[in-house]
Amino acid sequence: AQKVTQAQTEISVVEKEDVTLDCVYETRDTTYYLFWYKQPPSGELVFLIRRNSFDEQNEISGRYSWNFQKSTSSFNFTITASQVVDSAVYFCALSEARNNNDMRFGAGTRLTVKP
Amino acid sequence: NAGVTQTPKFQVLKTGQSMTLQCAQDMNHEYMSWYRQDPGMGLRLIHYSVGAGITDQGEVPNGYNVSRSTTEDFPLRLLSAAPSQTSVYFCASRSLGLLNHYEQYFGPGTRLTVT
Repeated sequence: AQKVTQAQTEISVVEKEDVTLDCVYETRDTTYYLFWYKQPPSGELVFLIRRNSFDEQNEISGRYSWNFQKSTSSFNFTITASQVVDSAVYFCALSEARNNNDMRFGAGTRLTVKP
Repeated sequence: NAGVTQTPKFQVLKTGQSMTLQCAQDMNHEYMSWYRQDPGMGLRLIHYSVGAGITDQGEVPNGYNVSRSTTEDFPLRLLSAAPSQTSVYFCASRSLGLLNHYEQYFGPGTRLTVT
């Protein structure tokens, strides 16, 4: 079965620092989808990005960037010039094309950005 | 457009009591799902449905029942609550259309405590 590992349980940085959240996944499927979700202190889950397994281009959206590397089965998330509002729990998730009804989440990384 | 709504937001039950967590979406999504979120474990899929009258089990289905009589509603039933079911429950939905196939929209969550 697919599996997602977020080894960093908690990260604390000072505002304006860059921070990278790691995500390593396991799957036997050749077609799959990777996601990042943000859960701010208010508790809702906010979709950030989806990446298809056949598209290894890195993506940048403002201060956010994602590095997808199939060779190392990783899908890391970098926040540049972090801000206090970035404080949240971030989840990486994986969905296999052959069983796309079952999305597996990592345990999450709690990011605290201090002013 | 309310998106995905869940009621109640908070609930306290005694062991052995039953209750139903409500979930509704107004986006005409075929797929709906229930997750539970426990500390250090991310989100785990309980049950899902790909349309009215069709439900299936996820990763942690024991102790929960679901039904899907309409496209909009997907209630989650706890027949005999146990302390191990203390958790935050999220309902999610997504379209099965090709372009939005894998992006899920989450409700605000229900925090359940079983004493």
